[in-house]
Amino acid sequence: DIQMTQSPSSLSASVGDRVTITCRASQGIRNDLGWYQQKPGKAPKRLIYAASSLQSGVPSRFSGSGSGTEFTLTISSLQSEDFATYYCLQHNNYPYTFGQGTKLEIK
Amino acid sequence: EMQLVQSGAEVKKPGESLKISCKGSGYSFRNQWIAWVRQMPGKGLEWMGIIYPDDSDTRYSPSFQGQVTISADKSISTAYLQWSSLKASDTAMYYCARTHYMDVWGKGTTVIVSS
Repeated sequence: DIQMTQSPSSLSASVGDRVTITCRASQGIRNDLGWYQQKPGKAPKRLIYAASSLQSGVPSRFSGSGSGTEFTLTISSLQSEDFATYYCLQHNNYPYTFGQGTKLEIK
Repeated sequence: EMQLVQSGAEVKKPGESLKISCKGSGYSFRNQWIAWVRQMPGKGLEWMGIIYPDDSDTRYSPSFQGQVTISADKSISTAYLQWSSLKASDTAMYYCARTHYMDVWGKGTTVIVSS
């Protein structure tokens, strides 16, 4: 199985901060990676697909980069509604695997 | 509008069987894979498996192989996740999502297994 190591597991930040979350794959996955946001009691929502493409309707402060084994999700200027848990997902090889999640909290 | 509508919450006893559903609309259901994801209370997302409704080609995570059965009925645009004998450790939220890229998600089905 491909392991997705996501870091940090939690992060405290303030409105307006720039935040970066990283996922590392245990083997190359090309750009077969998505980023998801989950708020408490809600289903996950896709933010980024193909590692760097912004899902329609998602604010442009979200961006993704990377290819191969290292990927990042960046939020350029945190807004209050961005405090949530974020997950990466690799869909290059079965079984698909999620990162462990990053809980983004208000400082 | 593409959407996935999941069946309602379930409360079951250990050893009972269960089948939950995920109905797609607003797109060609038979031609898009449907994945299932587990989220245990307070925990992260776990990919369980995926099915292609048109021919029922199914792939499972080794963690869930033999523990659940994924199926689909393309005539009614519905995918299923079922258990033959539930355990307390199956207590979780279960989501379905469209395609390998999980672009559209259902709202989830809560399954509680308790004696």
